[in-house]
Amino acid sequence: TQLLEQSPQFLSIQEGENLTVYCNSSSVFSSLQWYRQEPGEGPVLLVTVVTGGEVKKLKRLTFQFGDARKDSSLHITAAQPGDTGLYLCAGAPYNTDKLIFGTGTRLQVFP
Amino acid sequence: DTGVSQDPRHKITKRGQNVTFRCDPISEHNRLYWYRQTLGQGPEFLTYFQNEAQLEKSRLLSDRFSAERPKGSFSTLEIQRTEQGDSAMYLCASSPDRAMNTEAFFGQGTRLTVV
Repeated sequence: TQLLEQSPQFLSIQEGENLTVYCNSSSVFSSLQWYRQEPGEGPVLLVTVVTGGEVKKLKRLTFQFGDARKDSSLHITAAQPGDTGLYLCAGAPYNTDKLIFGTGTRLQVFP
Repeated sequence: DTGVSQDPRHKITKRGQNVTFRCDPISEHNRLYWYRQTLGQGPEFLTYFQNEAQLEKSRLLSDRFSAERPKGSFSTLEIQRTEQGDSAMYLCASSPDRAMNTEAFFGQGTRLTVV
């Protein structure tokens, strides 16, 4: 059973378009993180959301944590080719330190 | 200390051989995680340590896999009698011991190819 499901699995868009990636679970998480990974490298942390309903912005990226702390979304405005990569949500189910990852969303942005 | 380091970066081995990977975490981090990742998928949890204590091991992990963190600093992951299905990227991450927050910092991984 995959605790963290991401959608879509693949996304191929043109430069300048907007997109949203979703991360859903039936479990409650103390916090959720979003990572980006490029081929041959380890994931790199983008942001952590902790409070239910929290919204964080990182330049053109907007992250939201669901009110019930079971889901999160990542919205990218005016995507650029440099945004290409594998986007991963991750978190530890409530009262554990076991960090698990979502299924991943592979984003390709064409010039 | 510049981050998490893993050694080797690449390993090619024949089926049936044993392999060992090393991970050096960020020095002040108490938690250390091992993951396995295949192409295009999210990292799959293998095991994690709090200092030298191994707190959980994935049920998906066969007895051929073992991990240690003897002094609560570096960790090793050993795979015995490797199989072709073990080919994957093996990632190590470390995390500070902060309640409500499991931010992890990853090494560059060890890519294992079993031929």
